[in-house]
Amino acid sequence: KNQVEQSPQSLIILEGKNCTLQCNYTVSPFSNLRWYKQDTGRGPVSLTIMTFSENTKSNGRYTATLDADTKQSSLHITASQLSDSASYICVVRFTGGGNKLTFGTGTQLKVEL
Amino acid sequence: KAGVTQTPRYLIKTRGQQVTLSCSPISGHRSVSWYQQTPGQGLQFLFEYFSETQRNKGNFPGRFSGRQFSNSRSEMNVSTLELGDSALYLCASSLVDPTVADTQYFGPGTRLTVL
Repeated sequence: KNQVEQSPQSLIILEGKNCTLQCNYTVSPFSNLRWYKQDTGRGPVSLTIMTFSENTKSNGRYTATLDADTKQSSLHITASQLSDSASYICVVRFTGGGNKLTFGTGTQLKVEL
Repeated sequence: KAGVTQTPRYLIKTRGQQVTLSCSPISGHRSVSWYQQTPGQGLQFLFEYFSETQRNKGNFPGRFSGRQFSNSRSEMNVSTLELGDSALYLCASSLVDPTVADTQYFGPGTRLTVL
């Protein structure tokens, strides 16, 4: 079982609508949690980075939240645009046992007219 | 400012061969990290370097190795290639130690195909 689970696996929404992507992790302690956006055929682009002590971080229409007690993070996209169509990946840096990065399997988002 | 560059962009090798991939970070960045991306496993962490020192290593066999030079450029090497090594290899750079919550900037990747 992956230590970082993302849901849903895929999502289709209409342009202009909002959506929320989920990231649940099972291992702690951790030092930071990141959200990336990856367009097909390109490298990931950083959206937000939160340390374990932060609850929320915004980047334009993207807002990430973190609840360290429930080990959950979410990425909220407001007023979606066609260009938001991409894979969204959650990454957690665990500090126990070697300070390793663990990636979620991603949520594939498609925004349609 | 130029972004992260990776060379070559595409590579075809046969089983048993070895390969070296190169990454040039953004000017002034001292940290370089490497990742492997496959359709089945998604993104996986290979290793990360800061000021020529390997800071952390992922769960990959010893056939995968890397290094960072004094100008922050980095190379990764895969020896005795296997079919399962076919993947997109991504490099990312950041200004400071990679364990710090600093923004990473990714290159376009090197697409390696092993026949």
